Amino acid sequence: AQRVTQPEKLLSVFKGAPVELKCNYSYSGSPELFWYVQYSRQRLQLLLRHISRESIKGFTADLNKGETSFHLKKPFAQEEDSAMYYCALRDTGGFKTIFGAGTRLFVKA
Amino acid sequence: GAGVSQSPSNKVTEKGKDVELRCDPISGHTALYWYRQRLGQGLEFLIYFQGNSAPDKSGLPSDRFSAERTGESVSTLTIQRTQQEDSAVYLCASSLNLNTEAFFGQGTRLTVV
Repeated sequence: AQRVTQPEKLLSVFKGAPVELKCNYSYSGSPELFWYVQYSRQRLQLLLRHISRESIKGFTADLNKGETSFHLKKPFAQEEDSAMYYCALRDTGGFKTIFGAGTRLFVKA
Repeated sequence: GAGVSQSPSNKVTEKGKDVELRCDPISGHTALYWYRQRLGQGLEFLIYFQGNSAPDKSGLPSDRFSAERTGESVSTLTIQRTQQEDSAVYLCASSLNLNTEAFFGQGTRLTVV
């Protein structure tokens, strides 16, 4: 069965510290992986997708098929990064996107 | 419009009543999705539309849930005989087509008392 697991409900780091939000998935085919972010009082929005291999707001995520992981990383966290982060999976050729339960990132001054 | 619009933003209803949630997608977006988010949980896929067709209704939790879409425009999610476990935030998203980025609305917070 398709599943996205985000083991941490809350992650608290100091400003300037590295941050890694974990995401593991289970899927038998070749999925597309995404990270979505929701800032306080704002809508859920796409942060990045693995096929783009891009860095957005200093965040990167590498798809590791061997470990079935898609962890989100940033070398130096900023206070404005505080938000709810969701990892998501969409099967290629399908249209259903499955979301993890989310991790709340809190960056302390 | 400028973005996906959902109404109402908040709805409190009594157990057993029917509710209708509305989603106005971004103009020109052919694909539309409904999700449910219970407190402390991830987004649960409910249904998607391509145009006004809903090929996959398997995500709807029970036969009390139904959804329709008029053309490539407004969609309504109807919950009949609401139960307390229906309390959640219902999110709508739309995308240009099924393989492009989805844009989310602000959601409707439904509370069944």
